Order: sequence, then C-alpha cells, then structure tokens
Amino acid sequence: AQRVTQPEKLLSVFKGAPVELKCNYSYSGSPELFWYVQYSRQRLQLLLRHISRESIKGFTADLNKGETSFHLKKPFAQEEDSAMYYCAQDAGNMLTFGGGTRLMVKP
Amino acid sequence: DGGITQSPKYLFRKEGQNVTLSCEQNLNHDAMYWYRQDPGQGLRLIYYSQIVNDFQKGDIAEGYSVSREKKESFPLTVTSAQKNPTAFYLCASSIYGPTPGHRGDTEAFFGQGTRLTVV
Repeated sequence: AQRVTQPEKLLSVFKGAPVELKCNYSYSGSPELFWYVQYSRQRLQLLLRHISRESIKGFTADLNKGETSFHLKKPFAQEEDSAMYYCAQDAGNMLTFGGGTRLMVKP
Repeated sequence: DGGITQSPKYLFRKEGQNVTLSCEQNLNHDAMYWYRQDPGQGLRLIYYSQIVNDFQKGDIAEGYSVSREKKESFPLTVTSAQKNPTAFYLCASSIYGPTPGHRGDTEAFFGQGTRLTVV
C-alpha cells in the first residue's frame, strides 16, 4: 500500500523559531507531492505542491528522493501558522494523505 | 458561487440504520473523493471516482457504498455494516483524476465536512 508518514502528531514552537514538519512517502516512482493545511474552522486547502517549486506564506518543501521525504519548512514561524498540516501523495491512482501534524506557534 | 458542498453538517444515526451523506460540486471536476477524518489518524480514503459511473475502493471501504450517476454528485452511504461510523467525513473533488498525463492538476478542493454520530 502507498503510505505517507508524518511522524509528529504535534509540533509546538515559539513565534520566530524555525519550523520543519516531516513527511515521508512510500511510492518508488516519481510521486506528485502536496502539503495541505486546515486552519481552525476552515476547509482543508492546498498549501503547496512540489511540482510548482513555490514558496507559499513563507513555507517551502523540498523533495528528497534518496530519503523519500518531502519536509515542510519555514524559517520564522508566525502565530497565524498554527493549524493542522497534511502531507499527501498522488502516486498515479489515488490521492493519499498522511496522519497530519498539528502545529502550534506560541507567542 | 462555485465550490463543493456537503450536507448535512451534523447527522445523527441510530445503530442499525443506513444513512447517506451528500456531496455536490459545481466546479466541473472529473474526480471526487470521500475521506474519513479521525483524531490522530489523519485522512483515510474511503472511495474515489475518476469519472461518472465508475468508482474505486480506497483503504477503508468496508461498510460504505457510493454512487456516481452524475458528474456533480458523489453521495456516500454509511451502512449498518460499518462497525465504527462515528467520525468526521470529508468530500473532495479535483479537476482530473490522479492518472498519468495529468500531473500537476490534481489539487483537491474540500467540502466543509459532515460530522456523523451514532446514538
């Protein structure tokens, strides 16, 4: 089965600290990878996708095929970044999500 | 106002009853998905459909059924066979199904969700 693993269920940092949310995928080919975010009382929505190589709200994610990882990073966390983050992969037949990491940014 | 709509927002069901959750989209998307969201377990795929009149089982399809008679609609029925139906259910759609040749187009748009409680 194609799996996406997010090892941390909760990540708590102080405002201004760097953030890294970990994600590992299992697909042996070239998957399409995404990060989705769910802010409080809002819908789950796309944050960024690896194919675009973009930075959204200061977040970036780099695909490391050797380590099968797609970690999400931000150099300086903000309180408004507090949310639930999901890593997802499209391995050619279905969109699979990881278990999610709740990020809490403390003032 | 384009988007994906789930109804109802809250649903209560007695044990042994079937119940159907509605999902409608007016985005002209080909693919639609149903996920179950449980605390600590993230999103698990129940069923997905890449085209009208076709659907596939996801990781946790047992106790659920779907239909895709119209492009806009993908209702999910939670049957009495589902042993632990109390959960938050999310519907999503994307412009193309996750198939080769359409890479980069599989952004999924989500509904607001339906919270189902068995009483």
